[in-house]
Amino acid sequence: QQPVQSPQAVILREGEDAVINCSSSKALYSVHWYRQKHGEAPIFLMILLKGGEQKGHDKISASFNEKKQQSSLYLTASQLSYSGTYFCGTEALFNAGGTSYGKLTFGQGTILTVHP
Amino acid sequence: GAVVSQHPSRVICKSGTSVKIECRSLDFQATTMFWYRQFPKKSLMLMATSNEGSKATYEQGVEKDKFLINHASLTLSTLTVTSAHPEDSSFYICSARERDRGYEQYFGPGTRLTVT
Repeated sequence: QQPVQSPQAVILREGEDAVINCSSSKALYSVHWYRQKHGEAPIFLMILLKGGEQKGHDKISASFNEKKQQSSLYLTASQLSYSGTYFCGTEALFNAGGTSYGKLTFGQGTILTVHP
Repeated sequence: GAVVSQHPSRVICKSGTSVKIECRSLDFQATTMFWYRQFPKKSLMLMATSNEGSKATYEQGVEKDKFLINHASLTLSTLTVTSAHPEDSSFYICSARERDRGYEQYFGPGTRLTVT
């Protein structure tokens, strides 16, 4: 099942903050966050592996509530370069040939637009 | 490090022909590679997971005889779209993961396929 992201779109002025949420109906092994610019491949932002984990670099951080099966991405003091579509990817493990593998299922994306 | 390349970046072909897309990990050994397709303004949809030396695992609804995947070595996976039709037109993106590097997936730049 595809995780659900909210909001679907956000419009900000430079310097404003935003929060993007990602929730799943299934237990999560990990949550990955990516940003994609139009016509380009997704760029990895961060992974959260443990419930309660929080990570961040620069002004982008994220949290992972394992019990609630939710993750949130926090963008503070947004810059023009933050514009793009943000995807969360939730990872579940599956077995093939006796070995366990992880595979990502991506949310529908959140379009973030930052104006000067 | 962790660079993934795709070739070609763009291909236009006639209906009925077959197209091969290559995905290479340039500076690491990709024990697992993933193939996604993405329609305009939509999320990435996982097509299949391939592990070096074993058959690919296809997602439900993906025709394995239509989309042939060969993970020939630890640095190369190929996706062949056989007897392509206009509805196969899409953005195809591969990603690669190395077990010892952890859980991150590194994405290639994508291949835009247009079938006329």
